[in-house]
Amino acid sequence: LAKTTQPISMDSYEGQEVNITCSHNNIATNDYITWYQQFPSQGPRFIIQGYKTKVTNEVASLFIPADRKSSTLSLPRVSLSDTAVYYCLVVRNSGNTPLVFGKGTRLSVIA
Amino acid sequence: EAGVVQSPRYKIIEKKQPVAFWCNPISGHNTLYWYLQNLGQGPELLIRYENEEAVDDSQLPKDRFSAERLKGVDSTLKIQPAELGDSAVYLCASSLGGDNNEQFFGPGTRLTVL
Repeated sequence: LAKTTQPISMDSYEGQEVNITCSHNNIATNDYITWYQQFPSQGPRFIIQGYKTKVTNEVASLFIPADRKSSTLSLPRVSLSDTAVYYCLVVRNSGNTPLVFGKGTRLSVIA
Repeated sequence: EAGVVQSPRYKIIEKKQPVAFWCNPISGHNTLYWYLQNLGQGPELLIRYENEEAVDDSQLPKDRFSAERLKGVDSTLKIQPAELGDSAVYLCASSLGGDNNEQFFGPGTRLTVL
């Protein structure tokens, strides 16, 4: 599976939009981009998954350019409760594949 | 609907002692995973079960770690004997399987080996 690279940490003020970019240069044709969120003392939680262009749900948006070598997780109007570690993962579309986590991006939201 | 349940939440033991962690996955989820998470790192897969069969245990240190999922539902992960370097959070996750690869994680068991 393609290795992912994302910033180690980011800071943001409440109410701002936060964009976390992830690079995955060696992504394969049947790979999806998936993001998980992890709060302290909890297990990771699925946020969003996409293959190309744009995906939006009630939590976030995911932007994937045509070459799919990178992706951007966008969190609109963050609040203090969005402080967490965000993991970008490349997932093979064959079901039940284990998730390969990197170190993630530690987002700190400041009042 | 209940999520993935793990117990205990915290465990402190002395080195060379045995320890066991228990996981109850979401009802109907055939696939169960055990991950290890060190401080400041992402989770790393230890073992994956499809029903009661371990289909990927290549990352499980088999000299001291063992796992079982006897009836294809609950699972137990055991370490015997524990070493100082085993201090970490042990996470259990489950998924429906098939084309749905979203994994649901439990809160984890934080192990401290003294």
